Amino acid sequence: DAGVIQSPRHEVTEMGQEVTLRCKPISGHNSLFWYRQTMMRGLELLIYFNNNVPIDDSGMPEDRFSAKMPNASFSTLKIQPSEPRDSAVYFCASSLWKDTQYFGPGTRLTVL
Amino acid sequence: TQLLEQSPQFLSIQEGENLTVYCNSSSVFSSLQWYRQEPGEGPVLLVTVVTGGEVKKLKRLTFQFGDARKDSSLHITAAQPGDTGLYLCAGRSNTDKLIFGTGTRLQVFP
Repeated sequence: DAGVIQSPRHEVTEMGQEVTLRCKPISGHNSLFWYRQTMMRGLELLIYFNNNVPIDDSGMPEDRFSAKMPNASFSTLKIQPSEPRDSAVYFCASSLWKDTQYFGPGTRLTVL
Repeated sequence: TQLLEQSPQFLSIQEGENLTVYCNSSSVFSSLQWYRQEPGEGPVLLVTVVTGGEVKKLKRLTFQFGDARKDSSLHITAAQPGDTGLYLCAGRSNTDKLIFGTGTRLQVFP
């Protein structure tokens, strides 16, 4: 079985550019989570969806961040404009309701 | 805000040694999970504990949930190089989200 798929695995961009991270959850899972991991702040939940509907976006840092889930098999996290402090590893995870969350391999974002 | 502090932050030991990692909070959690994360990968769930005082064993790993459901520990017996990684505890909050701990980075040398 394919796990959670994230793309790209690495992204290097310049400050001010738009960045789009992509996630394909495990087929059949109905909950999707976006996390950010940094050395300073650890692993933080940004937003999560149930049945493609955003449930809690209180972890989204600011208006520069947005997330969408147009269907059950795809989600995006967009940062516009990007800033150096957005540099982190971004993880997508999926689960069946509150069951085990399965994490993708992450996208390492570097904003210069 | 519910926070989970882990200690120690870093741990370097020789193969065969025992170790304990702690996960502490002032908040009560309905359940607590432990994950291991290897470089370049996402965290992988090891165990979930739900009942205060609960003890679960996974081969050489022993997990305990505190009686008051505010803290937890992970004990590894006879550590092996394959145990190397970042260990994260995560509590399910009163808003049903997972709150992750600060992490313990373990290095086991052969």
